[in-house]
Amino acid sequence: NAGVTQTPKFQVLKTGQSMTLQCAQDMNHNSMYWYRQDPGMGLRLIYYSASEGTTDKGEVPDGYNVSRLKKQNFLLGLESAAPSQTSVYFCASSRTGLRDGANVLTFGAGSRLTVL
Amino acid sequence: EDKVVQSPLSLVVHEGDTVTLNCSYEVTNFRSLLWYKQEKKAPTFLFMLTSSGIEKKSGRLSSILDKKELFSILNITATQTGDSAIYLCAVEAFIIIQGAQKLVFGQGTRLTINP
Repeated sequence: NAGVTQTPKFQVLKTGQSMTLQCAQDMNHNSMYWYRQDPGMGLRLIYYSASEGTTDKGEVPDGYNVSRLKKQNFLLGLESAAPSQTSVYFCASSRTGLRDGANVLTFGAGSRLTVL
Repeated sequence: EDKVVQSPLSLVVHEGDTVTLNCSYEVTNFRSLLWYKQEKKAPTFLFMLTSSGIEKKSGRLSSILDKKELFSILNITATQTGDSAIYLCAVEAFIIIQGAQKLVFGQGTRLTINP
């Protein structure tokens, strides 16, 4: 009963370094999402993917890139990390997707990223 | 701009108390409102509300939506220490131009239940 799995759980980077957060889901969900959670800010959508091979920007996409080459995987990349990207990142997936109506997300456990 | 505001941001009560968490929203083309519970890790789904006045219940938790006044409440009766968590409210809005929906989250309410 894996659900949504994120790796790594913790990461410390120096300013300017690059890294990729990985997300995998085993529920055959069509849509996948990346959110970031900062104190007092709630969850903010970075990017989403309504289906394999398609991606769209969310509220806060600057400084990030994504890749959805396989239905079960959604990767979030930071090309040149900045301290403002220190946050907790959540991957989520859903069956119906953003275009199809009511949308219940299943979340991963989160990845805590610190950029020094 | 679409906005979801939760109150209070933080609440500390004693075990056995009843609590009410609030969520107000301003979104264009509302479709549904969702409540999530977030303990140490991933948010987990509690309720989805689409119609006014219909209470959703799950054990000691219940929630209701008022689409006229644009708010929802989440009630927890006979609270237990295991209810300590961040409670997130999210509203699904339809984006006419793009023909898609988006979820807008509130800041969350951090609830602490003391024994």
